[in-house]
Amino acid sequence: AQRVTQPEKLLSVFKGAPVELKCNYSYSGSPELFWYVQYSRQRLQLLLRHISRESIKGFTADLNKGETSFHLKKPFAQEEDSAMYYCALIYSGAGSYQLTFGKGTKLSVIP
Amino acid sequence: ETGVTQSPTHLIKTRGQQVTLRCSSQSGHNTVSWYQQALGQGPQFIFQYYREEENGRGNFPPRFSGLQFPNYSSELNVNALELDDSALYLCASTPRGTGELFFGEGSRLTVL
Repeated sequence: AQRVTQPEKLLSVFKGAPVELKCNYSYSGSPELFWYVQYSRQRLQLLLRHISRESIKGFTADLNKGETSFHLKKPFAQEEDSAMYYCALIYSGAGSYQLTFGKGTKLSVIP
Repeated sequence: ETGVTQSPTHLIKTRGQQVTLRCSSQSGHNTVSWYQQALGQGPQFIFQYYREEENGRGNFPPRFSGLQFPNYSSELNVNALELDDSALYLCASTPRGTGELFFGEGSRLTVL
Protein backbone atom coordinates (compact mmCIF):
# COMPACT_ATOMS: atom_id res chain seq x y z
CA ALA A 1 0.00 0.00 0.00
CA GLN A 2 1.13 3.54 -0.67
CA ARG A 3 2.24 5.73 2.19
CA VAL A 4 3.49 9.31 2.60
CA THR A 5 5.50 10.36 5.63
CA GLN A 6 6.17 13.91 6.73
CA PRO A 7 8.37 13.57 9.80
CA GLU A 8 7.99 17.13 11.10
CA LYS A 9 4.68 18.40 12.46
CA LEU A 10 6.05 21.89 12.91
CA LEU A 11 8.97 23.70 11.34
CA SER A 12 9.98 27.18 12.45
CA VAL A 13 12.50 29.24 10.50
CA PHE A 14 13.54 32.88 10.45
CA LYS A 15 12.67 35.09 7.54
CA GLY A 16 15.39 34.84 4.90
CA ALA A 17 16.58 31.44 6.08
CA PRO A 18 16.41 28.37 3.83
CA VAL A 19 13.47 26.03 4.18
CA GLU A 20 13.28 22.30 3.62
CA LEU A 21 10.08 20.38 4.27
CA LYS A 22 10.69 16.65 4.23
CA CYS A 23 8.54 14.07 2.51
CA ASN A 24 9.21 10.36 2.07
CA TYR A 25 6.97 7.91 0.31
CA SER A 26 6.49 4.22 -0.27
CA TYR A 27 4.79 3.04 -3.43
CA SER A 28 5.30 -0.03 -5.56
CA GLY A 29 4.48 1.68 -8.85
CA SER A 30 5.84 4.72 -10.63
CA PRO A 31 5.12 7.62 -8.27
CA GLU A 32 3.54 10.93 -9.10
CA LEU A 33 3.95 13.37 -6.25
CA PHE A 34 2.48 16.70 -5.27
CA TRP A 35 2.78 19.39 -2.65
CA TYR A 36 -0.45 21.00 -1.50
CA VAL A 37 -0.58 24.07 0.72
CA GLN A 38 -3.21 25.56 2.99
CA TYR A 39 -2.77 29.18 4.03
CA SER A 40 -4.64 30.51 7.05
CA ARG A 41 -8.40 30.65 6.40
CA GLN A 42 -7.98 29.44 2.82
CA ARG A 43 -8.73 26.18 1.12
CA LEU A 44 -6.25 23.47 0.31
CA GLN A 45 -4.59 24.17 -3.04
CA LEU A 46 -1.94 22.68 -5.27
CA LEU A 47 1.52 24.19 -4.87
CA LEU A 48 3.50 22.07 -7.29
CA ARG A 49 3.82 18.64 -8.84
CA HIS A 50 6.99 16.78 -9.65
CA ILE A 51 6.21 16.13 -13.31
CA SER A 52 6.00 19.84 -14.11
CA ARG A 53 9.49 20.53 -12.72
CA GLU A 54 8.63 24.15 -12.12
CA SER A 55 9.27 26.60 -9.31
CA ILE A 56 6.20 28.07 -7.67
CA LYS A 57 6.54 31.01 -5.25
CA GLY A 58 10.24 30.19 -5.07
CA PHE A 59 9.61 26.59 -3.98
CA THR A 60 11.07 23.59 -5.76
CA ALA A 61 10.88 19.86 -5.13
CA ASP A 62 12.88 17.09 -6.72
CA LEU A 63 11.79 13.50 -6.82
CA ASN A 64 14.56 11.21 -5.60
CA LYS A 65 13.53 7.67 -6.39
CA GLY A 66 16.61 6.17 -4.76
CA GLU A 67 15.79 7.77 -1.42
CA THR A 68 12.03 7.71 -2.08
CA SER A 69 11.85 11.39 -1.15
CA PHE A 70 10.20 14.53 -2.47
CA HIS A 71 11.44 17.30 -0.21
CA LEU A 72 10.16 20.85 -0.68
CA LYS A 73 12.78 23.57 -0.65
CA LYS A 74 13.04 27.33 -0.76
CA PRO A 75 16.30 29.24 -0.43
CA PHE A 76 14.89 32.26 1.43
CA ALA A 77 11.74 31.98 3.52
CA GLN A 78 9.17 34.77 3.50
CA GLU A 79 6.55 35.52 6.15
CA GLU A 80 3.78 34.76 3.65
CA ASP A 81 5.10 31.21 3.35
CA SER A 82 3.68 30.42 6.78
CA ALA A 83 1.09 27.73 6.13
CA MET A 84 0.28 24.04 6.39
CA TYR A 85 2.04 21.94 3.76
CA TYR A 86 0.95 18.48 2.67
CA CYS A 87 2.89 16.07 0.53
CA ALA A 88 0.71 13.74 -1.53
CA LEU A 89 1.14 10.76 -3.80
CA ILE A 90 -1.32 9.85 -6.50
CA TYR A 91 -2.52 6.33 -6.96
CA SER A 92 -4.33 5.60 -10.18
CA GLY A 93 -6.23 2.38 -10.55
CA ALA A 94 -9.30 1.36 -12.53
CA GLY A 95 -9.66 4.88 -13.86
CA SER A 96 -9.72 6.63 -10.51
CA TYR A 97 -7.16 9.01 -9.10
CA GLN A 98 -6.66 8.78 -5.36
CA LEU A 99 -4.36 11.05 -3.46
CA THR A 100 -2.63 9.70 -0.38
CA PHE A 101 -1.63 12.59 1.86
CA GLY A 102 0.95 12.88 4.58
CA LYS A 103 -0.06 14.30 7.94
CA GLY A 104 1.28 17.71 7.04
CA THR A 105 3.95 20.09 8.29
CA LYS A 106 3.11 23.48 9.69
CA LEU A 107 5.68 26.02 8.53
CA SER A 108 6.07 29.09 10.67
CA VAL A 109 8.30 31.87 9.38
CA ILE A 110 9.49 34.15 12.15
CA PRO A 111 9.91 37.82 11.18
CA GLU B 1 -15.15 30.55 -13.12
CA THR B 2 -16.89 29.20 -10.04
CA GLY B 3 -14.82 27.20 -7.57
CA VAL B 4 -15.86 24.17 -5.56
CA THR B 5 -18.55 25.00 -3.02
CA GLN B 6 -19.71 22.86 -0.11
CA SER B 7 -22.64 22.98 2.25
CA PRO B 8 -23.23 23.13 5.11
CA THR B 9 -20.03 24.61 6.50
CA HIS B 10 -20.65 23.33 10.01
CA LEU B 11 -23.09 20.89 11.51
CA ILE B 12 -23.61 18.94 14.70
CA LYS B 13 -25.22 15.51 14.85
CA THR B 14 -25.66 12.84 17.48
CA ARG B 15 -24.47 9.26 17.37
CA GLY B 16 -26.65 7.03 15.20
CA GLN B 17 -28.02 9.83 13.07
CA GLN B 18 -27.52 10.25 9.33
CA VAL B 19 -25.96 13.18 7.51
CA THR B 20 -25.84 14.45 3.91
CA LEU B 21 -23.12 16.80 2.74
CA ARG B 22 -23.28 18.58 -0.60
CA CYS B 23 -20.75 19.75 -3.13
CA SER B 24 -20.85 21.72 -6.36
CA SER B 25 -17.91 20.98 -8.62
CA GLN B 26 -15.82 23.57 -10.37
CA SER B 27 -17.15 24.39 -13.82
CA GLY B 28 -15.94 21.91 -16.44
CA HIS B 29 -14.82 19.27 -13.94
CA ASN B 30 -16.50 15.91 -14.33
CA THR B 31 -14.77 13.98 -11.55
CA VAL B 32 -15.40 14.53 -7.86
CA SER B 33 -13.70 13.05 -4.82
CA TRP B 34 -14.44 13.17 -1.13
CA TYR B 35 -11.86 13.22 1.62
CA GLN B 36 -12.11 13.01 5.40
CA GLN B 37 -9.67 15.08 7.43
CA ALA B 38 -9.53 14.32 11.13
CA LEU B 39 -7.90 16.81 13.48
CA GLY B 40 -4.11 16.83 13.05
CA GLN B 41 -4.20 14.47 10.10
CA GLY B 42 -3.92 14.79 6.36
CA PRO B 43 -6.98 14.29 4.17
CA GLN B 44 -7.94 10.64 3.68
CA PHE B 45 -9.56 9.45 0.46
CA ILE B 46 -13.16 8.23 0.83
CA PHE B 47 -14.28 7.73 -2.78
CA GLN B 48 -14.40 9.21 -6.26
CA TYR B 49 -17.22 9.61 -8.76
CA TYR B 50 -17.06 9.92 -12.52
CA ARG B 51 -20.09 9.96 -14.79
CA GLU B 52 -22.37 9.39 -11.82
CA GLU B 53 -20.65 6.14 -10.83
CA GLU B 54 -18.25 5.37 -8.03
CA ASN B 55 -14.91 4.43 -9.60
CA GLY B 56 -12.60 4.28 -6.62
CA ARG B 57 -12.97 3.85 -2.90
CA GLY B 58 -10.71 4.15 0.10
CA ASN B 59 -10.82 2.20 3.33
CA PHE B 60 -14.24 3.37 4.51
CA PRO B 61 -17.24 1.21 5.46
CA PRO B 62 -20.39 0.99 3.32
CA ARG B 63 -22.26 3.40 5.59
CA PHE B 64 -20.30 6.06 3.71
CA SER B 65 -22.02 6.45 0.37
CA GLY B 66 -22.24 9.04 -2.34
CA LEU B 67 -23.98 10.32 -5.40
CA GLN B 68 -22.95 12.35 -8.39
CA PHE B 69 -25.59 14.14 -10.45
CA PRO B 70 -25.66 14.95 -14.19
CA ASN B 71 -24.55 18.51 -13.45
CA TYR B 72 -21.51 16.99 -11.66
CA SER B 73 -22.64 18.12 -8.22
CA SER B 74 -22.26 15.49 -5.54
CA GLU B 75 -23.44 14.29 -2.15
CA LEU B 76 -21.73 12.39 0.63
CA ASN B 77 -24.05 10.43 2.92
CA VAL B 78 -23.01 8.90 6.21
CA ASN B 79 -25.39 6.60 8.07
CA ALA B 80 -25.28 5.46 11.68
CA LEU B 81 -22.89 8.21 12.70
CA GLU B 82 -20.14 7.37 15.16
CA LEU B 83 -18.10 9.69 17.33
CA ASP B 84 -15.01 9.03 15.18
CA ASP B 85 -16.82 10.43 12.16
CA SER B 86 -16.24 13.89 13.58
CA ALA B 87 -13.97 15.53 11.01
CA LEU B 88 -13.68 18.02 8.19
CA TYR B 89 -15.11 16.58 4.98
CA LEU B 90 -13.52 17.91 1.83
CA CYS B 91 -14.90 17.73 -1.66
CA ALA B 92 -12.51 18.05 -4.58
CA SER B 93 -13.19 18.21 -8.28
CA THR B 94 -10.80 17.61 -11.13
CA PRO B 95 -10.78 17.49 -14.90
CA ARG B 96 -10.77 13.90 -16.03
CA GLY B 97 -7.33 12.34 -16.21
CA THR B 98 -5.39 14.78 -14.10
CA GLY B 99 -4.17 14.58 -10.57
CA GLU B 100 -4.72 18.22 -9.71
CA LEU B 101 -7.57 18.50 -7.26
CA PHE B 102 -9.52 21.68 -6.63
CA PHE B 103 -10.81 21.62 -3.08
CA GLY B 104 -13.80 23.16 -1.41
CA GLU B 105 -13.55 24.75 2.01
CA GLY B 106 -15.06 21.72 3.66
CA SER B 107 -17.94 20.77 5.90
CA ARG B 108 -17.03 20.38 9.56
CA LEU B 109 -19.07 17.60 11.16
CA THR B 110 -19.23 17.13 14.90
CA VAL B 111 -20.83 13.96 16.24
CA LEU B 112 -21.88 14.05 19.90
